[in-house]
Amino acid sequence: GESVGLHLPTLSVQEGDNSIINCAYSNSASDYFIWYKQESGKGPQFIIDIRSNMDKRQGQRVTVLLNKTVKHLSLQIAATQPGDSAVYFCAQEGNNRLAFGKGNQVVVIP
Amino acid sequence: DAGVIQSPRHEVTEMGQEVTLRCKPISGHNSLFWYRQTMMRGLELLIYFNNNVPIDDSGMPEDRFSAKMPNASFSTLKIQPSEPRDSAVYFCASSLASGTGQPQHFGDGTRLSIL
Repeated sequence: GESVGLHLPTLSVQEGDNSIINCAYSNSASDYFIWYKQESGKGPQFIIDIRSNMDKRQGQRVTVLLNKTVKHLSLQIAATQPGDSAVYFCAQEGNNRLAFGKGNQVVVIP
Repeated sequence: DAGVIQSPRHEVTEMGQEVTLRCKPISGHNSLFWYRQTMMRGLELLIYFNNNVPIDDSGMPEDRFSAKMPNASFSTLKIQPSEPRDSAVYFCASSLASGTGQPQHFGDGTRLSIL
């Protein structure tokens, strides 16, 4: 079945530095990918998405990169802030549903 | 704009009791999803609806779990009877349409504890 996995369980980053979160996915037929941020006590919050006809998409301080050749997705956060501390999930769409990775904790050190 | 609204935010009850979780999706969204989140299993899709019709309930763990969507603005997830292993955070999410490259938007969940 589909699976979406993350390479690192926890990323500690100094405030002001850039963060990179990586994700490997298995469903090569997927056309749509999303990054979510989940803070303690809250639901996953949509950050940014990308379709398979693109390899890069930028938002406010965030950039998502998609490498279909190696089935790899990454999220870059520029100038990381304390409010960026959260668990980040990648997800891919397939069979009318989203398959989520297990999550990657980002800890911002002030 | 109002997001997905779930109630209650917290529920603590004894095993054997009936539990009902409620969800109001974002107005205009046609797809609604129920998830369960635990440390061990992460986010699991339980069931989803398109236009109030259940499409796939293969993630519902047992017959003790049931979900309904009587109209476009309300859905319930019921557990009867509840068991301690049902303890988890239950999320509801909605999207414009499933499978069309639209993001799902999540509520803040119901933290369920079965004693």
